[in-house]
Amino acid sequence: NAGVTQTPKFRILKIGQSMTLQCAQDMNHNYMYWYRQDPGMGLKLIYYSVGAGITDKGEVPNGYNVSRSTTEDFPLRLELAAPSQTSVYFCASSRATLYNEQFFGPGTRLTVL
Amino acid sequence: GENVEQHPSTLSVQEGDSAVIKCTYSDSASNYFPWYKQELGKRPQLIIDIRSNVGEKKDQRIAVTLNKTAKHFSLHITETQPEDSAVYFCAGLYGNKLVFGAGTILRVKS
Repeated sequence: NAGVTQTPKFRILKIGQSMTLQCAQDMNHNYMYWYRQDPGMGLKLIYYSVGAGITDKGEVPNGYNVSRSTTEDFPLRLELAAPSQTSVYFCASSRATLYNEQFFGPGTRLTVL
Repeated sequence: GENVEQHPSTLSVQEGDSAVIKCTYSDSASNYFPWYKQELGKRPQLIIDIRSNVGEKKDQRIAVTLNKTAKHFSLHITETQPEDSAVYFCAGLYGNKLVFGAGTILRVKS
């Protein structure tokens, strides 16, 4: 099993550009999450999904959108990138939330200039 | 509100000494409190967790204690080794979401 995979590993965007961060898992997990981690800071939840077709906002959803059309994939869309979105983005998945380990992907380092 | 506070933000210990990291949580947290370790440049990984029906859980050199009355839980690492150097995050479960503390940078000096 590959676990949780993310692409790309690194990306530099110009202000106002858009992009999609890809996330996939092959563990048949129902729950998937997107976090951002700013330098020296903790993990902030952007969006999460409890199953295909169901998404909900986390702590910091502004400037982002998500979709969940399959169990395996959970892409994160950035529209009109801003310097404040410079961060490392982690995707994670779990079987459920209660008492279940979240498995993280390797992360995408995004810089907006 | 949904809040987890973590202290200290940095911790330096001598190899072989113990390290303790403490987290407090707000009222609405559910009954599950995990700890994640993140090595430099790597992804976070679960190292231990505790459910609120127990007061302590151990796994080799790592232990977590939970005080529900005071609403805090702590990570204890004994006989620290250089490979324990990392950032440690506590978290509390609020509904379907984990809320993470800000992290503790642990440096083990050899």
